[in-house]
Amino acid sequence: DTEVTQTPKHLVMGMTNKKSLKCEQHMGHRAMYWYKQKAKKPPELMFVYSYEKLSINESVPSRFSPECPNSSLLNLHLHALQPEDSALYLCASSSNTGTGHYEQYFGPGTRLTVT
Amino acid sequence: DQQVKQNSPSLSVQEGRISILNCDYTNSMFDYFLWYKKYPAEGPTFLISISSIKDKNEDGRFTVFLNKSAKHLSLHIVPSQPGDSAVYFCAAKRLSYGKLTFGQGTILTVHP
Repeated sequence: DTEVTQTPKHLVMGMTNKKSLKCEQHMGHRAMYWYKQKAKKPPELMFVYSYEKLSINESVPSRFSPECPNSSLLNLHLHALQPEDSALYLCASSSNTGTGHYEQYFGPGTRLTVT
Repeated sequence: DQQVKQNSPSLSVQEGRISILNCDYTNSMFDYFLWYKKYPAEGPTFLISISSIKDKNEDGRFTVFLNKSAKHLSLHIVPSQPGDSAVYFCAAKRLSYGKLTFGQGTILTVHP
């Protein structure tokens, strides 16, 4: 089973709202990722968690706050977003062995619209 | 600085023929390469990968070729099927580092 699930599928929020995106995997992967994808562009990495610790932050604004409560769950907390943050937010996971990180498996994404 | 490039924005192929998607990279530190397929409003689906210690990897109808000296890889789909119509992303990474760097994507259309 290579399934990564994400909720909600769609989210519309105002610029003063606080919301959270959720991601879950049960493949035993110990690395989890958040990506952002704008229309007609490739996915861009935001954050990487490895063994529940934040290992990469690609200079993402603080209005995005990631959280990894356990090895299966990854959240992205959103606060005071801008309309330009509207995008498809993708979660991914991969195995993280002593020799490296391998294939990343992606969830279906959350389509976020900021009004 | 675009480290992974897919120079063909689109490719059109007849059903049953071969589809060849190309990708170039500039970062010599990359040692692991992947191809993903993406439908609109869905997440990318992993297709096939190759390590820099190999020059070919095959999985069913999909074969990836890697030419390290030219910093070039290609994905061959044989035979192509209408269900293969999607956006194909090439991606590259260092095995020791989690970040995937994607190309801009190639839209493949397979005509019946």
